Amino acid sequence: TQLLEQSPQFLSIQEGENLTVYCNSSSVFSSLQWYRQEPGEGPVLLVTVVTGGEVKKLKRLTFQFGDARKDSSLHITAAQPGDTGLYLCAGHTNAGKSTFGDGTTLTVKP
Amino acid sequence: SAVISQKPSRDICQRGTSLTIQCQVDSQVTMMFWYRQQPGQSLTLIATANQGSEATYESGFVIDKFPISRPNLTFSTLTVSNMSPEDSSIYLCSVSGRSGAVGETQYFGPGTRLLVL
Repeated sequence: TQLLEQSPQFLSIQEGENLTVYCNSSSVFSSLQWYRQEPGEGPVLLVTVVTGGEVKKLKRLTFQFGDARKDSSLHITAAQPGDTGLYLCAGHTNAGKSTFGDGTTLTVKP
Repeated sequence: SAVISQKPSRDICQRGTSLTIQCQVDSQVTMMFWYRQQPGQSLTLIATANQGSEATYESGFVIDKFPISRPNLTFSTLTVSNMSPEDSSIYLCSVSGRSGAVGETQYFGPGTRLLVL
């Protein structure tokens, strides 16, 4: 069974602070996705990373895929209350299914 | 990305009854999945809905409790049978393979919030 460990599980910060969420596995994935889910909604895809060592930026969000394609990180700069939500990483294999991390609940206080 | 709708968006049901949740996609997709999620927690895969054949269930989930249909490449249903309060959860439909290829990113519907009394 492929497992994805996310940390931290909960994070509460003030507006303007920076934060990093980690996603680690002992398994190699062909790609890895990060999702954000707000209360009452389904998860919304933020990014897909596919190449070891890849770095993608989406405004204040920076995503990195580990060289060995076993881990990833999400860094948010100058967090805003609108960033509040549940962040999920998902490792994907060519078998067609994703393995989801446990999730990180982020609260950004104004 | 695919546009996915689910019906109903939420429901309150009595124990012992059954509820069928519908998932409609705006384009043909290869893979359709059903997940369960407790608020604030991660996703648990119930089953993969296979077009034209029986669904593939994950450990801990059985067809008698969660019958699934997938009559075509854009539609699927999940039934939660003989419900108990433990079935209260968010049920999410997910799809991948919009171009027909296996191994693409998954996209999610808005979810169905079920409360069983």
